Amino acid sequence: AQSVTQLGSHVSVSEGALVLLRCNYSSSVPPYLFWYVQYPNQGLQLLLKYTSAATLVKGINGFEAEFKKSETSFHLTKPSAHMSDAAEYFCAVTSGGGYQKVTFGTGTKLQVIP
Amino acid sequence: DAGVIQSPRHEVTEMGQEVTLRCKPISGHNSLFWYRQTMMRGLELLIYFNNNVPIDDSGMPEDRFSAKMPNASFSTLKIQPSEPRDSAVYFCASNEQGQPQHFGDGTRLSIL
Repeated sequence: AQSVTQLGSHVSVSEGALVLLRCNYSSSVPPYLFWYVQYPNQGLQLLLKYTSAATLVKGINGFEAEFKKSETSFHLTKPSAHMSDAAEYFCAVTSGGGYQKVTFGTGTKLQVIP
Repeated sequence: DAGVIQSPRHEVTEMGQEVTLRCKPISGHNSLFWYRQTMMRGLELLIYFNNNVPIDDSGMPEDRFSAKMPNASFSTLKIQPSEPRDSAVYFCASNEQGQPQHFGDGTRLSIL
């Protein structure tokens, strides 16, 4: 079984401040982990992925995430928020490799305050 | 490259009517997925196909829902008869072996 839990359905940060979106996973086998972003009226777009290589993963738009097995976490960060980062972010997991049976978290809406 | 194309983008219809959602996956992708997104339940996988064959339909909510993939470039998700609780955004996604899924922009379905 696999699952992800995203802490905080809404997060607000000031423009230029650190962005931290939390995700904890559960998986009975080594997981693949993903962060997706969804802008209004659009589909999900892949930000970054972890597939058992480097534990610190860099993605698009300046985001990165660190895989911490001991904490079963895969938090998403960005040093300095931009207005264009306002969107909904989804953490996702798939177990045993592969990209087919992906389980998504409930999402975190990021608000960026000017 | 064209992404995953879904149509229509918006659909409003009365309960009891048949609804057909359409999806064109990215050329060369051999897997196709249908998801439903609601505020209450988040993003749920309904069914996925590999090489046009349904592999897992355990997420299809009930017999009113059916999906087909007659060829590698087209899939449909049909709801008959539709009910107000089917109102949601339906996403189609596709991928090739060993790569992440690419999503379409969704169909926003409202059943009155």
